Amino acid sequence: DGGITQSPKYLFRKEGQNVTLSCEQNLNHDAMYWYRQDPGQGLRLIYYSQIVNDFQKGDIAEGYSVSREKKESFPLTVTSAQKNPTAFYLCASSNRAGTVRYEQYFGPGTRLTVT
Amino acid sequence: DAKTTQPTSMDCAEGRAANLPCNHSTISGNEYVYWYRQIHSQGPQYIIHGLKNNETNEMASLIITEDRKSSTLILPHATLRDTAVYYCIVRVPSSGDKLTFGTGTRLAVRP
Repeated sequence: DGGITQSPKYLFRKEGQNVTLSCEQNLNHDAMYWYRQDPGQGLRLIYYSQIVNDFQKGDIAEGYSVSREKKESFPLTVTSAQKNPTAFYLCASSNRAGTVRYEQYFGPGTRLTVT
Repeated sequence: DAKTTQPTSMDCAEGRAANLPCNHSTISGNEYVYWYRQIHSQGPQYIIHGLKNNETNEMASLIITEDRKSSTLILPHATLRDTAVYYCIVRVPSSGDKLTFGTGTRLAVRP
């Protein structure tokens, strides 16, 4: 059964701690993305990766870091430098640029609460 | 990527057609129109996309005006499960693979 998995669904952390959110896909997609969503807002792009061992900053990368050591995995670390880390985090994947259909498939999301 | 404008919220009766408009007056010739939806607390779901011709799939129809400055997503027989936020996005597939999500239209389907 192909898809994107994110774990855990809910995550609670104390302020000042780094936390890593997991994202795995078995769709054989080259590109992967991380978005953040705040209540009542649209999605904002944090980081994206078009190929293994390469990634680019999105619109709100400050306080976040990523790695792309495997095609299937794109973990996101929320560092203590992120001022407002409490949010709903969504991971997505897609085929490479240039494919017109270009659907992004999204995972179920991780809701992070930092107190 | 071109900016889009959508109404903040809409409602329709169950079983009726839901017509969701989107304005994209600054769209360029090589930008496509994509629609996604997000049911509460879930990840967004792709619905449909088009360039200039009208498109239909098992989920919805997409009507794009001849000048391409606006489009309408049509859910022909809305059900309660169609209650969601609907996002209209315009982009060039080669522009770095990024999707820019605005605040979308919150569609409420009434029983």
